[in-house]
Amino acid sequence: ETGVTQTPRHLVMGMTNKKSLKCEQHLGHNAMYWYKQSAKKPLELMFVYNFKEQTENNSVPSRFSPECPNSSHLFLHLHTLQPEDSALYLCASSQDLDSYNEQFFGPGTRLTVL
Amino acid sequence: AQKVTQAQTEISVVEKEDVTLDCVYETRDTTYYLFWYKQPPSGELVFLIRRNSFDEQNEISGRYSWNFQKSTSSFNFTITASQVVDSAVYFCALSEAGSNFGNEKLTFGTGTRLTIIP
Repeated sequence: ETGVTQTPRHLVMGMTNKKSLKCEQHLGHNAMYWYKQSAKKPLELMFVYNFKEQTENNSVPSRFSPECPNSSHLFLHLHTLQPEDSALYLCASSQDLDSYNEQFFGPGTRLTVL
Repeated sequence: AQKVTQAQTEISVVEKEDVTLDCVYETRDTTYYLFWYKQPPSGELVFLIRRNSFDEQNEISGRYSWNFQKSTSSFNFTITASQVVDSAVYFCALSEAGSNFGNEKLTFGTGTRLTIIP
């Protein structure tokens, strides 16, 4: 595996379900990110981790819970979501938090909340 | 606060035509970085180019070229002799080097959906 991988690619869940999104990067990067991409809206940064430590929580509702067990893996735990949470959830990584560094993105998880 | 505007929501051109995607940004920092990303139908954003605020030299990479003009706060992207494989959503993004959060504050535009008609 190379780059940034995400599983599952598609997820349909009810509002009472609990599910988790997984992201793995094979680039040796130290920073990882979760973004939400909704139709006709800019990408929304949700969470940032640097060396496994969360450095940013961009006013994300508590029904989204991130976990970063090591620099290569990032999870997004979902529970009691709302239909408006349906979106493409993108994971990204970068060498570190330097503004110069480009981010490398995974293919995303297309989430539908019924 | 930083802001990126991509006024063109959707563009369609016939294959082999040239097309320019516009990007206008706002920032109070004197040091910042501008990026372009491509998002094909498969979903992942692919990094295309980075420009720092002190380097206004235009760049060409194959059929792609970028025109950075600080005077108009623009960082436009031109595809020459477009091909069907260029069909994608293109995002312009800005990162302020002076921000306390560094890369955490990478601000994206809303994207331009480009369709190349065979």
